[in-house]
Amino acid sequence: KAGVTQTPRYLIKTRGQQVTLSCSPISGHRSVSWYQQTPGQGLQFLFEYFSETQRNKGNFPGRFSGRQFSNSRSEMNVSTLELGDSALYLCASSLTEDYGYTFGSGTRLTVV
Amino acid sequence: EDQVTQSPEALRLQEGESSSLNCSYTVSGLRGLFWYRQDPGKGPEFLFTLYSAGEEKEKERLKATLTKKESFLHITAPKPEDSATYLCAVQAGNYGQNFVFGPGTRLSVLP
Repeated sequence: KAGVTQTPRYLIKTRGQQVTLSCSPISGHRSVSWYQQTPGQGLQFLFEYFSETQRNKGNFPGRFSGRQFSNSRSEMNVSTLELGDSALYLCASSLTEDYGYTFGSGTRLTVV
Repeated sequence: EDQVTQSPEALRLQEGESSSLNCSYTVSGLRGLFWYRQDPGKGPEFLFTLYSAGEEKEKERLKATLTKKESFLHITAPKPEDSATYLCAVQAGNYGQNFVFGPGTRLSVLP
């Protein structure tokens, strides 16, 4: 059974650029969430999508956005990158709200 | 504001030396408390979900318990392969996935 797939695994971008990260959830999972993980702040919730609708949103600026497609695949976009956006971005999917959430291995974004 | 703290920040054990990790939380309307394990360079791996005070769950050498204010992850006779960062997270709100994660406990088990 395939897990949650995130692409790319590593990314280096320049300050001011924008970036798009991709997440393919486990087949049948309709809930997809995104998290940012940094050594200083730990894991922080970005947003959650369910059936193509954003259901929850964390406390991040509007530069961070996302979307979900009809096949449940999701993308997140960060515009006008800042050095502080360097982090591991994790995607998680779930069959239902109360089932264990499965995380991908993440995309390591470095902003220079 | 929902808040999760974990202690200790780091823990070093000898193989076979049992111990407990603590997760304290302040949240309005707890829907569930989750424990995850994270290995370096990987995403968190789901371990347990606890829903109500008094609930306990076990998996191999791990046992998670929940009270109204905290959860414990007991590790019995740990092995080196149990070395990882253990994260707890609370799920609050009325619907959907909106985890608040603790900072984690970095566990090292020495052979």
